[in-house]
Amino acid sequence: DTAVSQTPKYLVTQMGNDKSIKCEQNLGHDTMYWYKQDSKKFLKIMFSYNNKELIINETVPNRFSPKSPDKAHLNLHINSLELGDSAVYFCASSPGTGGAATEAFFGQGTRLTVV
Amino acid sequence: AQSVTQLGSHVSVSEGALVLLRCNYSSSVPPYLFWYVQYPNQGLQLLLKYTTGATLVKGINGFEAEFKKSETSFHLTKPSAHMSDAAEYFCALLNQAGTALIFGKGTTLSVSS
Repeated sequence: DTAVSQTPKYLVTQMGNDKSIKCEQNLGHDTMYWYKQDSKKFLKIMFSYNNKELIINETVPNRFSPKSPDKAHLNLHINSLELGDSAVYFCASSPGTGGAATEAFFGQGTRLTVV
Repeated sequence: AQSVTQLGSHVSVSEGALVLLRCNYSSSVPPYLFWYVQYPNQGLQLLLKYTTGATLVKGINGFEAEFKKSETSFHLTKPSAHMSDAAEYFCALLNQAGTALIFGKGTTLSVSS
């Protein structure tokens, strides 16, 4: 049973489209994250949610909107996709923030390709 | 500002040789440090972490890392490389607020027979 699961694993779409990536964790964790890995494999935090509340929103275009319907889910919706959005997006979760953030688990990633 | 620097974007070793991947950090507070491994087309797997206490940390697959405050380093080592160790390795630091990881740019480890 996968701890942090993302769907889809691969997503190919045209510029201008709107798409969503879903993330679910079955660990009972309170905190969830979205990280972006660019073409040079650099990983950077996009959003952090704690108990469904947004606690980090890095410098990310407004076209990216996270939604946390409950503690177990954190979805990422992207409007008006651009070529530069092509990347691997990782979802992660941890029991909480602070010291509890040291127990983070990552999903398998979603490879988004915008053509 | 906190940051992580991984020296060497690509390290090549022979099977059976010592693996040394270098990581230096910058932090104004006591750091929580991590090493993650990423195999091709897979997610990130935690190798080991340092929070407090013993500065030599042992992880999975025979890896270990030593926290050296005076050198602001957290280098990853393995005495004998195996072909299956070939992967991307990331050093990371928990940000000061404890709300996200700050990653280094990664080091690709290649292992030849």
